[in-house]
Order: sequence, then C-alpha cells, then structure tokens
Amino acid sequence: QQQVKQSPQSLIVQKGGISIINCAYENTAFDYFPWYQQFPGKGPALLIAIRPDVSEKKEGRFTISFNKSAKQFSLHIMDSQPGDSATYFCAASSAGGFKTIFGAGTRLFVKA
Amino acid sequence: DGGITQSPKYLFRKEGQNVTLSCEQNLNHDAMYWYRQDPGQGLRLIYYSQIVNDFQKGDIAEGYSVSREKKESFPLTVTSAQKNPTAFYLCASRRGAGVYGYTFGSGTRLTVV
Repeated sequence: QQQVKQSPQSLIVQKGGISIINCAYENTAFDYFPWYQQFPGKGPALLIAIRPDVSEKKEGRFTISFNKSAKQFSLHIMDSQPGDSATYFCAASSAGGFKTIFGAGTRLFVKA
Repeated sequence: DGGITQSPKYLFRKEGQNVTLSCEQNLNHDAMYWYRQDPGQGLRLIYYSQIVNDFQKGDIAEGYSVSREKKESFPLTVTSAQKNPTAFYLCASRRGAGVYGYTFGSGTRLTVV
C-alpha cells in the first residue's frame, strides 16, 4: 500500500523526442505527487508537482499527467535535450504525513 | 540564498570507526530527513525529524544515529554497527507535513577503506 512503482528503469530518447516516465500508487491517502531530477553526484531537485484535484500540470517542457481513478501519474518531457539526461524520481505523500514515498528512479539518456 | 549544506562532500572511514555527517539548513524548515542512496538505486529513509529534540526511525535506521538539538542542524552518525556503510548520503528538509517538496543537500559520499 505504501509503494510507488516507477517505470521504465532506464530510457533512451533521441534529441527532440518525448520522454515519458510512469508511476503508480496504491494508497488513496496520497495527495501530493512531486517529481525530482537528479544529476550524477548531486542531490535531487524538485522539478514539478501535482495535487490530485487537477489532471495535468505543465511547466515549460515538463508536464505531469494525473489519473486519479487509475492511481497513476506520469512525467512527459517534450523536446527532450541532452541536458535532460539525469535520473528522475516520482514520489507521493499525504497532507498529514511527514514521510514521502519515492519510486525507484528512471535513468534517462537523451542522444544528441 | 537559502539552502542545505552537507559536509564533507567525500568521507573515508576505516572499519570499526564511527563518523558523523553534517547537515545544516537556513530555510527555517521544521522537518529534516536523512536518505541513503546506493549506486543505481532509489532513496531509502534512514531517520527523520519533525521538530527539535524529536526524531523517528526510517526504514533502514540500524547502525545509524541522529540528533536534533537545533532547528538548523540534523547530523547523522554512521556507527561501526552499520555493516555496509559505503553509500551516498542525502540530507533534505521540508517546510512541514505533506504537501511540500523536499530541498536536498548536495550529498556526502562515504567510503569504507
């Protein structure tokens, strides 16, 4: 119930293409779903986040799509660039909780 | 600029030694966290603290200890009881419960030699 399942484990995309990373959760008490981007040797950085009262949130080339009934959410990176090559983590937490559950991460490589 | 400072960036420890990793934040965040990351792996929660002088065990607390004497500081001690301490350690903070994202430090890479 506390797991967040993330796929794929790794992803190779051509420059200019769309990168799609998917996550699924089981605990319906979760109501905050952030995505983090991590470059090698650095700490993760908050990229974008969504609450379940909306189905989509867009910030620049990054979009979260959220399907509450299916308990799934995904990150879309449009016009992917080599500089987007990093590890991406989805996560989930609940309003009253202090713990965040992280997915296992997706290593994205964008080919020039 | 506000942020989280972790030190040192690299740390080498001999077998049987305790070492302490520093984490300081100037974001005025209430909650602080320690995560462990192994190569190619996700983040595993070691300890977290919601307020000063209070902390809770995470999923992999064995062999680790923490203190929270000041709001700004949350040091992690890796004890000799931790059987496989070589890893990348990340400290994070958050304003409060639930619907806020984490701010992470830049990490400490600990190697046992």
